[in-house]
Amino acid sequence: RKEVEQDPGPFNVPEGATVAFNCTYSNSASQSFFWYRQDCRKEPKLLMSVYSSGNEDGRFTAQLNRASQYISLLIRDSKLSDSATYLCVVPTDSWGKLQFGAGTQVVVTP
Amino acid sequence: DTAVSQTPKYLVTQMGNDKSIKCEQNLGHDTMYWYKQDSKKFLKIMFSYNNKELIINETVPNRFSPKSPDKAHLNLHINSLELGDSAVYFCASSREWYEQYFGPGTRLTVT
Repeated sequence: RKEVEQDPGPFNVPEGATVAFNCTYSNSASQSFFWYRQDCRKEPKLLMSVYSSGNEDGRFTAQLNRASQYISLLIRDSKLSDSATYLCVVPTDSWGKLQFGAGTQVVVTP
Repeated sequence: DTAVSQTPKYLVTQMGNDKSIKCEQNLGHDTMYWYKQDSKKFLKIMFSYNNKELIINETVPNRFSPKSPDKAHLNLHINSLELGDSAVYFCASSREWYEQYFGPGTRLTVT
């Protein structure tokens, strides 16, 4: 099993709709998780952190399910500008070393 | 002001050549990183320096050599370039280990 697995998508979402996708991780000892966003041909940027059960930031909600070892990201009221690849990130046992998933592509259409 | 900058942005070179990529951050962070993102979009860490000291050294060919002259700069030198080295190389820096700020990337094409 890969350390971090994501559905590559693409998830094609009409503007204004809700989209959700998951990320599974293998290290049951992981305590914190992160979602980064990467626009096409751009650098990744931190979107949200997930420490306990979940986190909400505006239209974005991240949830953690420790029992099943997955985190999810939900985007409500999707905007065209939400089109991007969303990278699930899980810390490893080494300080500063993050394990990035391959990303889930979201395409918001008018 | 650019927080993390890299030069060059694009690099096209032939197999066997030696090339360097430079990275600078003006965020005052102590830790800097080099990542490689291949054609399948996997972002993999290569090296990390904390205050000029190497702290992460992943399994990469020894043709790759990082160098940190000071904590604001982290350069990557690559010897004897191979076709498989073609990728986007990202530099990043952080104060908190989880919030890493990435540079715009250097798109390396080896022909």
